[in-house]
Amino acid sequence: GNSVTQMEGPVTLSEEAFLTINCTYTATGYPSLFWYVQYPGEGLQLLLKATKADDKGSNKGFEATYRKETTSFHLEKGSVQVSDSAVYFCALARPSYGKLTFGQGTILTVHP
Amino acid sequence: EAGVVQSPRYKIIEKKQPVAFWCNPISGHNTLYWYLQNLGQGPELLIRYENEEAVDDSQLPKDRFSAERLKGVDSTLKIQPAELGDSAVYLCASSPGTSGSTDTQYFGPGTRLTVL
Repeated sequence: GNSVTQMEGPVTLSEEAFLTINCTYTATGYPSLFWYVQYPGEGLQLLLKATKADDKGSNKGFEATYRKETTSFHLEKGSVQVSDSAVYFCALARPSYGKLTFGQGTILTVHP
Repeated sequence: EAGVVQSPRYKIIEKKQPVAFWCNPISGHNTLYWYLQNLGQGPELLIRYENEEAVDDSQLPKDRFSAERLKGVDSTLKIQPAELGDSAVYLCASSPGTSGSTDTQYFGPGTRLTVL
C-alpha cells in the first residue's frame, strides 16, 4: 500500500538556520507529492507540490524536489523565521485516486 | 473567496451521545473529503464524495459513522453513538476537479471533538 514516512520531531532551530525535514514514500505508480503546513490554530494549507520525477516545488522560500530514485521529497529552507513555526506534513496522492496519504507530521519551532 | 467552512469548531459530549459535524466546501468544488486526525498524527481519509456520490467510504466505520452530501454541496458527518476513542479533529476538505485528479485539496479549520 501507499505510505509516507517523515523524520521524527520536534525540530527546534534558531532564526536564520537551515532547515531540512526528511520525507520518504512508498507507492505504486507515479504519485504526486505534497507538503502541507498547519500553523497554530489554523487549518492545513498547501505549501508546495510536485507532480512528476525531478520536479521542484517551491513557495515562501521552501523547496522540495521529487526524487524517484530515492523515493524522497525532502523539505528545505535556507533561512527559517520565527513565523515558520508550525507542523509540516508530507503527503502523496496517486493520479487516479485523489485521496491524500499523510505522514505523521513534524513540529518545527523557531526561536529568535 | 471564502474557504472551507466547518462547524462547530469545538464539541464536547459524553460517550454514547450522538454528534454531527457540518461542512460547506468552496463554491464550485465537486469533490469533498472528510478526514480524521488523531493527536500527533497525519489526517486519514474517512470518506470522499464526487458531487453527491460517495465514491470511497471504505475507511468509514459504518456501524457508528454516517455521512451525507445532499445536492452535492454541503455535507454532514454523524457519529452515533460516540465512543471515547472518537476524540480527535475531524477535517473537511474540497477540491475543484474530480477525485481522479491531483488538484489541490483545500482544508477547513476542523472540528475538535472531545468525548468524555
